[in-house]
Amino acid sequence: GEDVEQSLFLSVREGDSSVINCTYTDSSSTYLYWYKQEPGAGLQLLTYIFSNMDMKQDQRLTVLLNKKDKHLSLRIADTQTGDSAIYFCAERSDNAGNMLTFGGGTRLMVKP
Amino acid sequence: EAQVTQNPRYLITVTGKKLTVTCSQNMNHEYMSWYRQDPGLGLRQIYYSMNVEVTDKGDVPEGYKVSRKEKRNFPLILESPSPNQTSLYFCASSQAPRYEQYFGPGTRLTVT
Repeated sequence: GEDVEQSLFLSVREGDSSVINCTYTDSSSTYLYWYKQEPGAGLQLLTYIFSNMDMKQDQRLTVLLNKKDKHLSLRIADTQTGDSAIYFCAERSDNAGNMLTFGGGTRLMVKP
Repeated sequence: EAQVTQNPRYLITVTGKKLTVTCSQNMNHEYMSWYRQDPGLGLRQIYYSMNVEVTDKGDVPEGYKVSRKEKRNFPLILESPSPNQTSLYFCASSQAPRYEQYFGPGTRLTVT
């Protein structure tokens, strides 16, 4: 089946930028998503990008998509301690109907 | 308020005792899904439903059943739970065209 991979862990200092990376294998992906999961909570959609876009910016969040390399990244500017969470990327392709394929999640730790 | 609700939030049970986890959404979404989240494995889809009376298997359907008799409800049934079904379960709903999933708060199930 299709695969989505992320690094397990990222540690940054408060005020720095964080970049969380994701790679996927499905060349027919249509939408790609970033979700945030805080401790004890469900997943919250942060942002999404359509596959014909290269970049999407939303306040402190910037999503970059390199479709040729099947690489997605999420940049968080001016990272705050409240950004500490697990971040999941997910992709959906027309081949898979409603199914989203999730990465394993990247735990972001922000040090004061 | 648009939301997905799950009950119960926490459940401890014994092997073989049938249980049902309920899921309800108030957004009139056509699509609903169940996921399980296990450490290091991210989220894996158990079952999904594209509409009333239409359900299909996800990646890990063994040991689970679902039903979709009404658009808003999508219960997950474990006929004979086993310890390897100890996990954190999420229900989600979504709608075309972007299919971004809206997640419930999660149900932590322990089977002893």
